[in-house]
Amino acid sequence: DTAVSQTPKYLVTQMGNDKSIKCEQNLGHDTMYWYKQDSKKFLKIMFSYNNKELIINETVPNRFSPKSPDKAHLNLHINSLELGDSAVYFCASSQADRAGYGYTFGSGTRLTVV
Amino acid sequence: AQSVTQPDIHITVSEGASLELRCNYSYGATPYLFWYVQSPGQGLQLLLKYFSGDTLVQGIKGFEAEFKRSQSSFNLRKPSVHWSDAAEYFCAVEQAGTALIFGKGTTLSVSS
Repeated sequence: DTAVSQTPKYLVTQMGNDKSIKCEQNLGHDTMYWYKQDSKKFLKIMFSYNNKELIINETVPNRFSPKSPDKAHLNLHINSLELGDSAVYFCASSQADRAGYGYTFGSGTRLTVV
Repeated sequence: AQSVTQPDIHITVSEGASLELRCNYSYGATPYLFWYVQSPGQGLQLLLKYFSGDTLVQGIKGFEAEFKRSQSSFNLRKPSVHWSDAAEYFCAVEQAGTALIFGKGTTLSVSS
């Protein structure tokens, strides 16, 4: 039933490790996003994919690499994790030709780097 | 560049009292405007949206918002707040071809 699902919900890892967060949507949307919410709850766009093609790539360290195997999935791989990467990461989806209808968000992945 | 400003970081309202959360945007044309709510430990839920037509829009959970072009504002209102409305509220703006941009959020506390 879940429209946008992210796994895992919580992720605790040590500095220097590599980790991945997975996202899947069953809404038939063609565009997916990754947002980062920092400790002050500010939400900032990181990446956006439309039909598996990268269309938005904000100023994000290249340790972050999104991958979209198909339009229903957008995964986020993070190499060499740093303390500053600790945040909540949200996946979202929308339909590109329906601008103004809003995005559907997943429930978030809380990443803690120790 | 477009931006969204939520002037109030934290608001406390008594249960049953009315609520207004402010949002101002900076954009050359009329953007698509949204309010999202985030309950503690939860994701973001869309409350309401405006992209054309009637400037007073109704949303879920008894919320409404009014788009005022002259003031570049899209304030969120609720006539009577319930304790369950305590959450983080985000105003957001979307321009065709770019991603949703969020304000910094307003934390709503509800006192009994």
